[in-house]
Amino acid sequence: DQQVKQNSPSLSVQEGRISILNCDYTNSMFDYFLWYKKYPAEGPTFLISISSIKDKNEDGRFTVFLNKSAKHLSLHIVPSQPGDSAVYFCAASARGSQGNLIFGKGTKLSVKP
Amino acid sequence: GAGVSQSPSNKVTEKGKDVELRCDPISGHTALYWYRQSLGQGLEFLIYFQGNSAPDKSGLPSDRFSAERTGGSVSTLTIQRTQQEDSAVYLCASSLFGAGMGGYTFGSGTRLTVV
Repeated sequence: DQQVKQNSPSLSVQEGRISILNCDYTNSMFDYFLWYKKYPAEGPTFLISISSIKDKNEDGRFTVFLNKSAKHLSLHIVPSQPGDSAVYFCAASARGSQGNLIFGKGTKLSVKP
Repeated sequence: GAGVSQSPSNKVTEKGKDVELRCDPISGHTALYWYRQSLGQGLEFLIYFQGNSAPDKSGLPSDRFSAERTGGSVSTLTIQRTQQEDSAVYLCASSLFGAGMGGYTFGSGTRLTVV
């Protein structure tokens, strides 16, 4: 039973446009959410996070939105750049889980020049 | 070191053999995690260390899998009698604060292929 779901395995976007990556979760105990980015042959790198007490967190071109009632979060990248092409993983952590992150299956983003 | 180091980066082994994967976390990071990513799958949690002890081994898929950590630093993940379904990228991560404060820092992984 997947607790963190990324239903789109891939997304293709034109350079300069907005990329929106979606993530749904089922565990209401999750209180911290993160996005990681992964290039081929490299480990995932932390991108941005949000605590459940917030509904938005912004860092440069990256914004994460959290809708707790819908158990949904999204990552917006604007403007998208070809260097953003990577696999993006959504992850969540529950209070008291000792920091263990539960990851989604990832969405492969391709940004076309 | 500056980052999380994993070795080997690639390992091809015959079915039935044992393999040992090594992880060198960032110096001073007390928490260490092992994950694996099978083809087309997300990152699957295997085991978590706090110092040398493993409070959560719930993700280890079978008793063929074991891990240890010594000196609060280096960790080895051992897979005995490897099977083809063990083929995956095994990722190690370390952190100071668990999932918070930016989460973990991952190594580049060990790609294990069982033939």
